[in-house]
Amino acid sequence: ETGVTQTPRHLVMGMTNKKSLKCEQHLGHNAMYWYKQSAKKPLELMFVYNFKEQTENNSVPSRFSPECPNSSHLFLHLHTLQPEDSALYLCASAGGDTEAFFGQGTRLTVV
Amino acid sequence: SQKIEQNSEALNIQEGKTATLTCNYTNYSPAYLQWYRQDPGRGPVFLLLIRENEKEKRKERLKVTFDTTLKQSLFHITASQPADSATYLCALGGGSGNTGKLIFGQGTTLQVKP
Repeated sequence: ETGVTQTPRHLVMGMTNKKSLKCEQHLGHNAMYWYKQSAKKPLELMFVYNFKEQTENNSVPSRFSPECPNSSHLFLHLHTLQPEDSALYLCASAGGDTEAFFGQGTRLTVV
Repeated sequence: SQKIEQNSEALNIQEGKTATLTCNYTNYSPAYLQWYRQDPGRGPVFLLLIRENEKEKRKERLKVTFDTTLKQSLFHITASQPADSATYLCALGGGSGNTGKLIFGQGTTLQVKP
Protein backbone atom coordinates (compact mmCIF):
# COMPACT_ATOMS: atom_id res chain seq x y z
CA GLU A 1 0.00 0.00 0.00
CA THR A 2 1.28 3.44 -0.93
CA GLY A 3 -0.88 5.46 1.46
CA VAL A 4 -3.10 6.75 -1.34
CA THR A 5 -6.53 5.12 -1.50
CA GLN A 6 -8.87 5.33 -4.45
CA THR A 7 -12.50 4.25 -4.60
CA PRO A 8 -14.14 2.61 -6.35
CA ARG A 9 -11.61 0.26 -7.94
CA HIS A 10 -13.94 -0.47 -10.86
CA LEU A 11 -16.79 1.58 -12.30
CA VAL A 12 -19.10 0.99 -15.24
CA MET A 13 -21.30 3.91 -16.20
CA GLY A 14 -23.62 4.91 -18.99
CA MET A 15 -23.04 8.02 -21.05
CA THR A 16 -25.86 9.86 -19.29
CA ASN A 17 -24.80 8.95 -15.75
CA LYS A 18 -23.09 11.11 -13.14
CA LYS A 19 -20.53 9.48 -10.91
CA SER A 20 -17.58 10.50 -8.73
CA LEU A 21 -14.15 9.05 -8.10
CA LYS A 22 -12.61 9.53 -4.68
CA CYS A 23 -8.99 9.75 -3.59
CA GLU A 24 -7.67 9.99 -0.05
CA GLN A 25 -4.16 10.38 1.33
CA HIS A 26 -2.93 10.73 4.89
CA LEU A 27 0.73 11.21 4.07
CA GLY A 28 0.69 14.91 4.91
CA HIS A 29 1.25 15.87 1.29
CA ASN A 30 0.14 19.25 -0.01
CA ALA A 31 -0.08 18.38 -3.69
CA MET A 32 -2.54 15.99 -5.31
CA TYR A 33 -2.95 14.98 -8.92
CA TRP A 34 -5.30 13.20 -11.33
CA TYR A 35 -3.78 11.18 -14.17
CA LYS A 36 -5.45 9.23 -16.98
CA GLN A 37 -3.95 6.03 -18.39
CA SER A 38 -5.52 4.78 -21.61
CA ALA A 39 -4.56 1.50 -23.23
CA LYS A 40 -1.17 1.64 -24.96
CA LYS A 41 -0.69 5.31 -24.05
CA PRO A 42 1.52 7.01 -21.46
CA LEU A 43 0.03 8.39 -18.26
CA GLU A 44 -1.41 11.83 -18.95
CA LEU A 45 -1.58 14.51 -16.28
CA MET A 46 -5.10 15.93 -15.98
CA PHE A 47 -5.23 18.20 -12.93
CA VAL A 48 -2.86 19.50 -10.27
CA TYR A 49 -3.87 20.77 -6.84
CA ASN A 50 -1.53 22.52 -4.42
CA PHE A 51 -2.78 23.38 -0.94
CA LYS A 52 -6.36 22.67 -2.13
CA GLU A 53 -6.09 25.13 -5.03
CA GLN A 54 -6.18 23.95 -8.62
CA THR A 55 -2.95 25.06 -10.23
CA GLU A 56 -3.15 23.17 -13.49
CA ASN A 57 -5.78 21.89 -15.90
CA ASN A 58 -4.25 20.16 -18.91
CA SER A 59 -7.02 21.06 -21.37
CA VAL A 60 -9.33 18.48 -19.84
CA PRO A 61 -12.94 18.49 -21.15
CA SER A 62 -15.47 20.01 -18.80
CA ARG A 63 -17.28 16.67 -18.43
CA PHE A 64 -14.46 15.96 -15.91
CA SER A 65 -14.79 18.20 -12.86
CA PRO A 66 -12.27 17.93 -10.02
CA GLU A 67 -12.84 18.97 -6.43
CA CYS A 68 -10.39 19.25 -3.56
CA PRO A 69 -12.21 20.05 -0.29
CA ASN A 70 -9.04 19.67 1.81
CA SER A 71 -5.44 18.62 1.31
CA SER A 72 -6.24 14.97 2.09
CA HIS A 73 -9.12 14.40 -0.31
CA LEU A 74 -9.55 14.74 -4.05
CA PHE A 75 -12.59 13.95 -6.16
CA LEU A 76 -13.20 13.64 -9.86
CA HIS A 77 -16.82 14.21 -10.82
CA LEU A 78 -17.88 12.61 -14.08
CA HIS A 79 -20.89 13.43 -16.23
CA THR A 80 -21.98 12.71 -19.80
CA LEU A 81 -18.82 10.80 -20.57
CA GLN A 82 -17.95 9.19 -23.89
CA PRO A 83 -16.79 5.62 -24.52
CA GLU A 84 -13.30 6.96 -25.34
CA ASP A 85 -13.08 8.19 -21.74
CA SER A 86 -12.79 4.57 -20.62
CA ALA A 87 -9.39 4.28 -18.93
CA LEU A 88 -7.56 3.79 -15.65
CA TYR A 89 -7.80 6.97 -13.59
CA LEU A 90 -4.96 7.40 -11.14
CA CYS A 91 -4.65 9.74 -8.21
CA ALA A 92 -1.25 10.71 -6.82
CA SER A 93 0.10 12.87 -4.03
CA ALA A 94 3.51 14.37 -3.36
CA GLY A 95 5.11 16.58 -0.76
CA GLY A 96 8.11 18.87 -1.03
CA ASP A 97 10.83 17.19 -3.01
CA THR A 98 9.64 13.63 -2.52
CA GLU A 99 8.52 11.22 -5.16
CA ALA A 100 4.87 10.84 -6.16
CA PHE A 101 2.74 8.22 -4.46
CA PHE A 102 0.02 6.70 -6.63
CA GLY A 103 -3.22 5.03 -5.70
CA GLN A 104 -4.30 1.74 -7.25
CA GLY A 105 -6.54 3.53 -9.71
CA THR A 106 -10.17 3.32 -10.77
CA ARG A 107 -10.82 1.26 -13.89
CA LEU A 108 -13.62 3.19 -15.64
CA THR A 109 -15.71 1.74 -18.43
CA VAL A 110 -18.21 3.97 -20.23
CA VAL A 111 -20.94 2.10 -22.07
CA SER B 1 6.75 19.59 -27.97
CA GLN B 2 8.21 17.58 -25.10
CA LYS B 3 8.74 13.95 -25.92
CA ILE B 4 9.90 10.92 -23.94
CA GLU B 5 10.76 7.61 -25.55
CA GLN B 6 11.50 4.35 -23.80
CA ASN B 7 13.61 2.21 -26.05
CA SER B 8 11.29 -0.71 -26.51
CA GLU B 9 7.82 -1.78 -25.59
CA ALA B 10 8.98 -5.20 -24.45
CA LEU B 11 12.21 -6.73 -23.21
CA ASN B 12 12.73 -10.44 -22.53
CA ILE B 13 15.74 -11.65 -20.57
CA GLN B 14 16.90 -14.75 -18.73
CA GLU B 15 16.88 -14.91 -14.95
CA GLY B 16 20.16 -13.80 -13.45
CA LYS B 17 21.05 -11.44 -16.30
CA THR B 18 21.10 -7.65 -16.14
CA ALA B 19 18.15 -5.82 -17.66
CA THR B 20 18.91 -2.40 -19.15
CA LEU B 21 16.07 -0.04 -20.01
CA THR B 22 16.55 3.24 -21.85
CA CYS B 23 14.69 6.52 -21.58
CA ASN B 24 15.38 9.33 -24.06
CA TYR B 25 13.80 12.75 -24.09
CA THR B 26 13.69 15.84 -26.30
CA ASN B 27 12.65 19.46 -25.96
CA TYR B 28 12.87 19.36 -22.19
CA SER B 29 15.32 20.21 -19.41
CA PRO B 30 14.10 18.22 -16.43
CA ALA B 31 15.19 18.99 -12.90
CA TYR B 32 14.83 15.31 -12.04
CA LEU B 33 13.90 11.97 -13.50
CA GLN B 34 11.97 9.17 -11.80
CA TRP B 35 11.51 5.47 -12.52
CA TYR B 36 8.36 3.63 -11.54
CA ARG B 37 7.22 0.02 -11.68
CA GLN B 38 3.66 -0.80 -12.69
CA ASP B 39 2.01 -4.19 -12.44
CA PRO B 40 -1.13 -4.97 -14.50
CA GLY B 41 -4.23 -3.19 -13.19
CA ARG B 42 -2.33 -1.39 -10.45
CA GLY B 43 -0.90 2.06 -9.88
CA PRO B 44 2.77 2.89 -10.48
CA VAL B 45 5.14 2.33 -7.57
CA PHE B 46 8.16 4.59 -7.14
CA LEU B 47 11.62 3.07 -7.51
CA LEU B 48 14.28 5.75 -7.90
CA LEU B 49 14.63 9.50 -8.36
CA ILE B 50 17.73 11.14 -9.82
CA ARG B 51 18.32 14.85 -10.05
CA GLU B 52 19.90 16.81 -12.91
CA ASN B 53 23.15 17.31 -10.98
CA GLU B 54 23.52 13.58 -10.21
CA LYS B 55 25.12 11.07 -12.56
CA GLU B 56 24.14 7.81 -10.91
CA LYS B 57 21.91 6.43 -8.17
CA ARG B 58 21.74 2.94 -6.72
CA LYS B 59 19.26 1.07 -4.59
CA GLU B 60 19.84 -2.62 -3.91
CA ARG B 61 19.82 -4.33 -7.35
CA LEU B 62 18.72 -1.17 -9.14
CA LYS B 63 20.92 1.46 -10.75
CA VAL B 64 19.93 4.53 -12.71
CA THR B 65 22.14 6.92 -14.67
CA PHE B 66 21.23 10.37 -15.95
CA ASP B 67 23.07 12.10 -18.80
CA THR B 68 21.63 15.56 -19.39
CA THR B 69 23.94 16.11 -22.37
CA LEU B 70 22.71 13.01 -24.18
CA LYS B 71 19.21 13.58 -22.72
CA GLN B 72 19.11 9.97 -21.65
CA SER B 73 18.62 7.81 -18.59
CA LEU B 74 19.55 4.16 -18.26
CA PHE B 75 17.85 1.90 -15.71
CA HIS B 76 19.56 -1.35 -14.76
CA ILE B 77 18.26 -4.33 -12.80
CA THR B 78 21.09 -6.69 -11.91
CA ALA B 79 20.65 -10.39 -11.08
CA SER B 80 17.12 -10.20 -12.47
CA GLN B 81 14.39 -12.44 -11.10
CA PRO B 82 11.00 -13.52 -12.49
CA ALA B 83 9.42 -11.29 -9.81
CA ASP B 84 10.97 -8.30 -11.58
CA SER B 85 8.61 -8.88 -14.53
CA ALA B 86 6.50 -5.73 -14.84
CA THR B 87 6.19 -2.52 -16.84
CA TYR B 88 8.77 0.13 -16.00
CA LEU B 89 7.94 3.78 -16.51
CA CYS B 90 10.30 6.70 -16.93
CA ALA B 91 8.99 10.10 -15.84
CA LEU B 92 10.43 13.61 -16.01
CA GLY B 93 9.68 16.54 -13.78
CA GLY B 94 10.81 20.13 -13.61
CA GLY B 95 9.39 21.93 -10.64
CA SER B 96 10.76 22.01 -7.14
CA GLY B 97 8.00 21.33 -4.65
CA ASN B 98 5.79 19.78 -7.29
CA THR B 99 7.42 16.42 -7.84
CA GLY B 100 4.13 14.74 -8.71
CA LYS B 101 3.77 16.82 -11.86
CA LEU B 102 5.34 14.41 -14.31
CA ILE B 103 5.61 13.61 -18.00
CA PHE B 104 5.68 9.85 -18.52
CA GLY B 105 7.13 7.61 -21.18
CA GLN B 106 5.02 4.82 -22.61
CA GLY B 107 6.80 2.18 -20.54
CA THR B 108 8.87 -0.93 -21.20
CA THR B 109 7.40 -4.30 -20.26
CA LEU B 110 10.11 -6.54 -18.86
CA GLN B 111 9.69 -10.31 -18.85
CA VAL B 112 12.28 -12.30 -16.87
CA LYS B 113 12.22 -15.99 -17.74
CA PRO B 114 13.36 -18.65 -15.26
